[in-house]
Amino acid sequence: GDSVTQMEGPVTLSEEAFLTINCTYTATGYPSLFWYVQYPGEGLQLLLKATKADDKGSNKGFEATYRKETTSFHLEKGSVQVSDSAVYFCALSEGAGANSKLTFGKGITLSVRP
Amino acid sequence: GAVVSQHPSRVICKSGTSVKIECRSLDFQATTMFWYRQFPKKSLMLMATSNEGSKATYEQGVEKDKFLINHASLTLSTLTVTSAHPEDSSFYICSAKGRTEAFFGQGTRLTVV
Repeated sequence: GDSVTQMEGPVTLSEEAFLTINCTYTATGYPSLFWYVQYPGEGLQLLLKATKADDKGSNKGFEATYRKETTSFHLEKGSVQVSDSAVYFCALSEGAGANSKLTFGKGITLSVRP
Repeated sequence: GAVVSQHPSRVICKSGTSVKIECRSLDFQATTMFWYRQFPKKSLMLMATSNEGSKATYEQGVEKDKFLINHASLTLSTLTVTSAHPEDSSFYICSAKGRTEAFFGQGTRLTVV
């Protein structure tokens, strides 16, 4: 079945540091890939997505490129801020129908210190 | 963006009692809602897919009679944990499918004592 593997956390960085969070996936077809973010006390929010190979999703300074050859969707940001402290989930979905399910990675907690 | 409201955010109940969790899409109609359970340091595990006006589709290993799901309208789905036990203590999250993406509730922390 489908699965998503994220690097182990937590991750602690200083403000303005470079961020990489690794994500690899296993899927039978050609999934869409997502990064979700969960700020303290809030629900999950879509951060960015990519629907086909070589697509790059970007939002709020974060980027991730859909790499089919390495089955990866690593999240990067050039300069993190304290406000980026949150839990980040990588996810995939096969199909675009109303019942298409999301398969999540375990999530990783990012803490950014001033 | 679209808002999904989940209530309550936190509940403590006695073993053997039932607890109902509500999930509402506030500004859009959701024909499909999803219920997830999140264990500490684990990913979100899909429990069931709820379709308005029909029976929910449960994932393998999820007890239908224990986790009752009702999706009576296009804006409301409920999850009832029946005869709760301490091992049901967890974080439950709902998601409502919009036209292009899924929106998530804030989650419910259930503690069974």
